[in-house]
Amino acid sequence: SAVISQKPSRDICQRGTSLTIQCQVDSQVTMMFWYRQQPGQSLTLIATANQGSEATYESGFVIDKFPISRPNLTFSTLTVSNMSPEDSSIYLCSVDNSGGRATDTQYFGPGTRLTVL
Amino acid sequence: TQLLEQSPQFLSIQEGENLTVYCNSSSVFSSLQWYRQEPGEGPVLLVTVVTGGEVKKLKRLTFQFGDARKDSSLHITAAQTGDTGLYLCAGSQGGKLIFGQGTELSVKP
Repeated sequence: SAVISQKPSRDICQRGTSLTIQCQVDSQVTMMFWYRQQPGQSLTLIATANQGSEATYESGFVIDKFPISRPNLTFSTLTVSNMSPEDSSIYLCSVDNSGGRATDTQYFGPGTRLTVL
Repeated sequence: TQLLEQSPQFLSIQEGENLTVYCNSSSVFSSLQWYRQEPGEGPVLLVTVVTGGEVKKLKRLTFQFGDARKDSSLHITAAQTGDTGLYLCAGSQGGKLIFGQGTELSVKP
């Protein structure tokens, strides 16, 4: 499976500021996804990061709040904009099991733990 | 959005006991994954089940996919303290994963 890294691993931010989270994969993957995991909760899909086009957002998530970039098949960024304490969560990127074709199985990065004061 | 109901939400048992975690839905999934997550880490894939009725074993863990591909179970035999963690089921539909609420398992020595 692909090796996935995320930066930063954690951060503490002031409300009103923005944070960009990076996700790097050691091999080319078709699909990359961004999830949010609020404290004590399960994972909720934010959006699918599409290479070369705009991300596809799930209901309840908008581009202005969570802009996403995917410049190539190994890298993506998620920005959490104009943060409030309610944005305090773990943000996770995931990838499909690569090989140039979309599959059902996803592998996750280690996550970015964000605390907004 | 299809719901995936996972139960129990919390489970505290003694080392050596057996346990079963369930995931149920009214929807059909093309596959179902089970993950284990420890504090401060991302979910780690345990298994993917694809075929209705499929049973997979991973040491002391047994995973089953329902015949209709709407439900799944995870059975752990003779639990160990190292099994402690958050267990997540996730069903695949249209290339997206829908996660259950998670089961927080605590195995006490």
